[in-house]
Amino acid sequence: GENVEQHPSTLSVQEGDSAVIKCTYSDSASNYFPWYKQELGKRPQLIIDIRSNVGEKKDQRIAVTLNKTAKHFSLHITETQPEDSAVYFCAASVGGSYIPTFGRGTSLIVHP
Amino acid sequence: GAVVSQHPSRVICKSGTSVKIECRSLDFQATTMFWYRQFPKQSLMLMATSNEGSKATYEQGVEKDKFLINHASLTLSTLTVTSAHPEDSSFYICSAREEGSVYGYTFGSGTRLTVV
Repeated sequence: GENVEQHPSTLSVQEGDSAVIKCTYSDSASNYFPWYKQELGKRPQLIIDIRSNVGEKKDQRIAVTLNKTAKHFSLHITETQPEDSAVYFCAASVGGSYIPTFGRGTSLIVHP
Repeated sequence: GAVVSQHPSRVICKSGTSVKIECRSLDFQATTMFWYRQFPKQSLMLMATSNEGSKATYEQGVEKDKFLINHASLTLSTLTVTSAHPEDSSFYICSAREEGSVYGYTFGSGTRLTVV
């Protein structure tokens, strides 16, 4: 089955700095890569996603890049704000099942 | 957008009792729903895939007799934790994908189960 590795597990930045979270996956059949933000005790929320036919996607302060050859994808958050503090999960969906396999999560802390 | 409602949000039960958690898709039909378990500071672990009108598909290591799943309609799936023990204490979350939507899942708000 699919295996998703996510790093770092914890990321601490100052407000205004950029944050980068990296994930790798194992199954070359994966073709959909969503990112979720989960605040403490709340449900994961989809914040951005990318499909295998696209190398980069941007939405305001967040962007995701995908390198299919290397089987890795990354989340970039620019101009971080305290409200960006949360746990971020990457995920990969294998082929036609579209059931995501999640990374272990990154706890992002943005200091004012 | 698609909305998934999950109840209860919190439940405390005694060891040996059973607890039922409901997951409803409010504005769309979902022939498939998913149940996840999440321990503190850990990732979402898929427990089972709930299929409307048929038996659920359980992931390896998940006891089907302990975690009973019923998906009786296109908008409702239930997870019953039977004979609960303290080690079953966890955060349980369901998710669903709107039919016709190839990508994207919507999560329920989660249920914090504490077994005492």
